[in-house]
Amino acid sequence: ETGVTQSPTHLIKTRGQQVTLRCSSQSGHNTVSWYQQALGQGPQFIFQYYREEENGRGNFPPRFSGLQFPNYSSELNVNALELDDSALYLCASSLDRNIQYFGAGTRLSVL
Amino acid sequence: KQEVTQIPAALSVPEGENLVLNCSFTDSAIYNLQWFRQDPGKGLTSLLLIQSSQREQTSGRLNASLDKSSGRSTLYIAASQPGDSATYLCAVSGTNSKLTFGKGITLSVRP
Repeated sequence: ETGVTQSPTHLIKTRGQQVTLRCSSQSGHNTVSWYQQALGQGPQFIFQYYREEENGRGNFPPRFSGLQFPNYSSELNVNALELDDSALYLCASSLDRNIQYFGAGTRLSVL
Repeated sequence: KQEVTQIPAALSVPEGENLVLNCSFTDSAIYNLQWFRQDPGKGLTSLLLIQSSQREQTSGRLNASLDKSSGRSTLYIAASQPGDSATYLCAVSGTNSKLTFGKGITLSVRP
């Protein structure tokens, strides 16, 4: 157990809808990173939040947005869902951008 | 742009065999390298982390080595067991702590 929890575990949405995924970081960690893992692929970096500020972003469109709260938990929001957004979304927390500990992920299916 | 390659994509071995999983990366300016294990539909479990100044790390039956100058890492698994069956992912981190992953090697250990 890493102490990183993600909710919900599974989610089914239809194309065009919006979704919010949540991540509770490990106690004492101030950095949260989000990754998207399509079937059969390695995780791809979406963005990172450090002390409530975005600290780096991968090659994802603006409809992927995020937020980090004062308690360092985080949300990932995806607007105008597309079929290709179907994936496992992984959250990782760390202290001062060091070793990252991953949650179990949220499986998103877009129909 | 950092690229991480893991070949082959899948491997099947009999129980008890010692095996080596390979990982290569294109940019040697890394901060650290991690090996992860992922069971089907699950999140990532960190196995070993090697800092850029280190050559290897060991944990139980696992040993990971790093040759930064040649852009290579290996994960050695001694006396493989059916419970080792999983996908093994290699990831490198730059100074911004963004992880770049390979696609993983799916290992099957036959009883």
